[in-house]
Amino acid sequence: EDQVTQSPEALRLQEGESSSLNCSYTVSGLRGLFWYRQDPGKGPEFLFTLYSAGEEKEKERLKATLTKKESFLHITAPKPEDSATYLCAVRARQGQGGKLIFGQGTELSVKP
Amino acid sequence: SAVISQKPSRDICQRGTSLTIQCQVDSQVTMMFWYRQQPGQSLTLIATANQGSEATYESGFVIDKFPISRPNLTFSTLTVSNMSPEDSSIYLCSGPYILAANTGELFFGEGSRLTVL
Repeated sequence: EDQVTQSPEALRLQEGESSSLNCSYTVSGLRGLFWYRQDPGKGPEFLFTLYSAGEEKEKERLKATLTKKESFLHITAPKPEDSATYLCAVRARQGQGGKLIFGQGTELSVKP
Repeated sequence: SAVISQKPSRDICQRGTSLTIQCQVDSQVTMMFWYRQQPGQSLTLIATANQGSEATYESGFVIDKFPISRPNLTFSTLTVSNMSPEDSSIYLCSGPYILAANTGELFFGEGSRLTVL
């Protein structure tokens, strides 16, 4: 069964304190791993797509990396506005019609 | 990126009633997806809405409880039928699946927050 597990569930950082979020996955034929940011009361906002092991994507203070079993979202020198829930999702083989399977999310809080 | 609009944004409903949520996309898309996000939880796919055919439901979700319409390539509705307090959730519409660019990401609406009393 396709599965996505994120850790930690919650992470509290001081402003400027770099850290990483983990997303472990088990899927049949990965067709993309996706990172989203979700603010309270909002829909998920797309951040990155990764397709193959070794691939990296960057956006401002965020960098996403991918291996054959997991992905990391590295946050460098975070600011309070980076506080949000970060969701990881995978798309499995063609037969599943393009749907995304989401992990439980990591709730990030950055204090000034 | 596409813009996805949902209505209503929130509602408070009585047990036993039904509510229809509308989703409008500003560009034509092949598939639209309906997700549920229960309080403090992540997103669970309810069904895939296909234009011109019946929706495809995930395990644990049935058409009688969550009927879906997809009359054209930019619009879909999800009805939550015979509601109970357990149906209190955020319901999210997503799309498009950008086949042309093959980037694969889904964009989401702001969600419809339902509270069932």
